[in-house]
Amino acid sequence: DAKTTQPNSMESNEEEPVHLPCNHSTISGTDYIHWYRQLPSQGPEYVIHGLTSNVNNRMASLAIAEDRKSSTLILHRATLRDAAVYYCILRPMNTNAGKSTFGDGTTLTVKP
Amino acid sequence: DTGVSQDPRHKITKRGQNVTFRCDPISEHNRLYWYRQTLGQGPEFLTYFQNEAQLEKSRLLSDRFSAERPKGSFSTLEIQRTEQGDSAMYLCASSRRLAGGPFNEQFFGPGTRLTVL
Repeated sequence: DAKTTQPNSMESNEEEPVHLPCNHSTISGTDYIHWYRQLPSQGPEYVIHGLTSNVNNRMASLAIAEDRKSSTLILHRATLRDAAVYYCILRPMNTNAGKSTFGDGTTLTVKP
Repeated sequence: DTGVSQDPRHKITKRGQNVTFRCDPISEHNRLYWYRQTLGQGPEFLTYFQNEAQLEKSRLLSDRFSAERPKGSFSTLEIQRTEQGDSAMYLCASSRRLAGGPFNEQFFGPGTRLTVL
């Protein structure tokens, strides 16, 4: 599986934007970029995914570099409830693909 | 539908005992996954099912571990002769395979926390 690299931790102030980076220099042309987050004492939850173009949904935005070797998850206005571990994962296009390979993620701390 | 459920939420056992966990996926989700997560690390894949068929198993899944999904609905994960190194959070997830498309978001349950004394 292609690997992703994320900073161990980041801090943000409440109500400010947060940019969470992910490097995936060995990404293949058939890999989708997925982001999940894990709130304390809960299982991971899906945030967003993309292939080549930038994506927006109600939770976040995903900015993908033109060469696809990196991406950035953007939380437009961080709230205390956004404090979580954020995982960047590559999942192949093949519908038979099963597992997700999680790294250790980025722990986001949001300060009031 | 209230999402993926797991039972029990917590299990404390003594080394050498057998334990079994249950996962109920979101109804009509044909894929079911098991992961293990230790403190400070991301989830590690153990195995997954499509309907009743177990399609992939990780090398982490030693022969003390067995998973079943007999009717393509709920699943059980059994650990025989537990060891202290088995202490972890065991997460279950489910997803729906989309015909003609790659996107299959995984929905995770709250996990079962196992402590082996």
